[in-house]
Amino acid sequence: QVQLVQSGAEVKKPGASVKVSCRPSGYSFNSYYIHWVRQAPGHGLEWMGIIKPGANDRTYAQKFQGRLTMTRDTSTSTVYMELSSLRSEDTAVYYCVREDSRNAFDIWGQGTMVTVSS
Amino acid sequence: QSVLTQPPSASGTPGQRVTISCSGSSSNIGTNYVYWYQQLPGTAPKVVIYRNDQRPSGVPDRFSGSKSGTSASLAISGLRSEDEADFYCAAWDGSHWVFGGGTKLTVL
Repeated sequence: QVQLVQSGAEVKKPGASVKVSCRPSGYSFNSYYIHWVRQAPGHGLEWMGIIKPGANDRTYAQKFQGRLTMTRDTSTSTVYMELSSLRSEDTAVYYCVREDSRNAFDIWGQGTMVTVSS
Repeated sequence: QSVLTQPPSASGTPGQRVTISCSGSSSNIGTNYVYWYQQLPGTAPKVVIYRNDQRPSGVPDRFSGSKSGTSASLAISGLRSEDEADFYCAAWDGSHWVFGGGTKLTVL
């Protein structure tokens, strides 16, 4: 079964960092791009960036430049999203998403709730 | 404020046809494909239309998409209660992906 399995919910204080993992299974890790998309409570979808596991290449949305880091570990076939200098507005569900050959976001992780609160 | 503009809400009765619009610009919809995602309450989004008007396997043919210039539309015919969800349009914008703000579809 093709799926993306994410790490569990996190609660962080303002100014801290959070690192969320995403482990693809059921397909070749290097074959598809992985995106990160977030959704604040009661709000819409927001694209954060893309990582290409096979090429170790990544692009971030301008809004997150300087705060966002996407990495991958080929030994464990896992990708990571780390967001620093957290503020309350970063409270959201964070999804890792696979982009397929049609450029559609065809497989979504289950989502990771990140709460930023003092 | 989202780069792609959608109406915040839409509604219809069972069996009706509803359309949801998505307005963009020359840098996104005007030059790239449009995708539509359905998000049922409490779940992750699911693609229902890709590359403007293509339906993934498993998506009912009641769902259809179209694009003209810098705008796109999603149509749902034969509306059913299980179609009640949030719908988002998306497009590539040269160096990044952009989404619409979402449309909440209510089946009355």
